Amino acid sequence: AQSVAQPEDQVNVAEGNPLTVKCTYSVSGNPYLFWYVQYPNRGLQFLLKYITGDNLVKGSYGFEAEFNKSQTSFHLKKPSALVSDSALYFCAVRDLNTGFQKLVFGTGTRLLVSP
Amino acid sequence: GAVVSQHPSRVICKSGTSVKIECRSLDFQATTMFWYRQFPKQSLMLMATSNEGSKATYEQGVEKDKFLINHASLTLSTLTVTSAHPEDSSFYICSATLQRQGLFLDEQFFGPGTRLTVL
Repeated sequence: AQSVAQPEDQVNVAEGNPLTVKCTYSVSGNPYLFWYVQYPNRGLQFLLKYITGDNLVKGSYGFEAEFNKSQTSFHLKKPSALVSDSALYFCAVRDLNTGFQKLVFGTGTRLLVSP
Repeated sequence: GAVVSQHPSRVICKSGTSVKIECRSLDFQATTMFWYRQFPKQSLMLMATSNEGSKATYEQGVEKDKFLINHASLTLSTLTVTSAHPEDSSFYICSATLQRQGLFLDEQFFGPGTRLTVL
């Protein structure tokens, strides 16, 4: 079964510093990976996705993610964190075992950026 | 583009009543919509997958008679929580997929969620 793991419940970083939110995956076949962000009492917003091509994927709000096949990882990164980046971040993988575009989500990582 | 709305954003009801939540794709046709449930400080749990004009596919452990899903058109899906109880209180989120010319690889677009509180 397709799955993703987010090993950190929370990540703390000071504003202006680089941030990394970790995600590892387990899939059969080619992975289709996604990052979403959720602000309080809101739905999820799409940040970026990896399907094929360059291992470094650039997304919204200055975020990027690096696909590493040997380490089965898809970590989310940003060179300089903003206080407004504080939110809940979810890694997800497309479940290709169904005919639908079903996503399997990780448990989420809360990012806190301090001023 | 690719905006998904939900209504209501927040609802409080008495135990035993039924509540209907609407999910609409505002500027695209969504052949597939998904319904999720999110508990505080937890991940999204997929409840069911809804395809226009057909019965929804429920995930294991989700009571189909409890959570009625209707997908009558390409822009509207509804989730009805029947005979709601306090343990049904949760944040319900829908999403819709945008299929482009037969490609089946596009991301899901999420609604803003509905906070249900059952007293």
